[in-house]
Amino acid sequence: DVKVTQSSRYLVKRTGEKVFLECVQDMDHENMFWYRQDPGLGLRLIYFSYDVKMKEKGDIPEGYSVSREKKERFSLILESASTNQTSMYLCASSLLAGSSYNEQFFGPGTRLTVL
Amino acid sequence: GDSVTQMEGPVTLSEEAFLTINCTYTATGYPSLFWYVQYPGEGLQLLLKATKADDKGSNKGFEATYRKETTSFHLEKGSVQVSDSAVYFCALRDGGTSYGKLTFGQGTILTVHP
Repeated sequence: DVKVTQSSRYLVKRTGEKVFLECVQDMDHENMFWYRQDPGLGLRLIYFSYDVKMKEKGDIPEGYSVSREKKERFSLILESASTNQTSMYLCASSLLAGSSYNEQFFGPGTRLTVL
Repeated sequence: GDSVTQMEGPVTLSEEAFLTINCTYTATGYPSLFWYVQYPGEGLQLLLKATKADDKGSNKGFEATYRKETTSFHLEKGSVQVSDSAVYFCALRDGGTSYGKLTFGQGTILTVHP
């Protein structure tokens, strides 16, 4: 089974702290994605990566950065956490293009609260 | 840009009732369409998909048909169970992108009572 794991299920941080959210996948997928999920807004793409050290901005990248030093690991970084970044963060991975069936597999999510 | 609109929730049904969750989309080109489900405390799982017009996706008793003329992909199930209680997301993938980027609807919360 494909497995996408996230480092924490719940996280509480203070305003201004630097926050790292880690995601690991075990299926040798090229693509990895970070979304945030908010009630009434669905999932919104923050950043994605299609290869090691490669990254592309999604729809809401402001206030976030990412790092992909190894194929299996994709980190989301909040340089200076703010209360409006309180949310559920979901990581996903998929195979690179070539197949119209390349499904995205999701991790269980990290619920981040910024006080 | 691409967008997906789902019916407002939450939806509350009794067990064995018929379910419809409406989904319409706006996209350039020929998108692929998906329904994802999120059970309480879990990440999203792919429920079904369709990649071209008139395709019908189906899984676990759920069905959805890709209707290009009405730009819709409504989710249906003939007889829901308590275990179907979850959040359902409609999503599309633009046919022109090579990275599999998905655009999601806002999600519909379904609660099924015994």
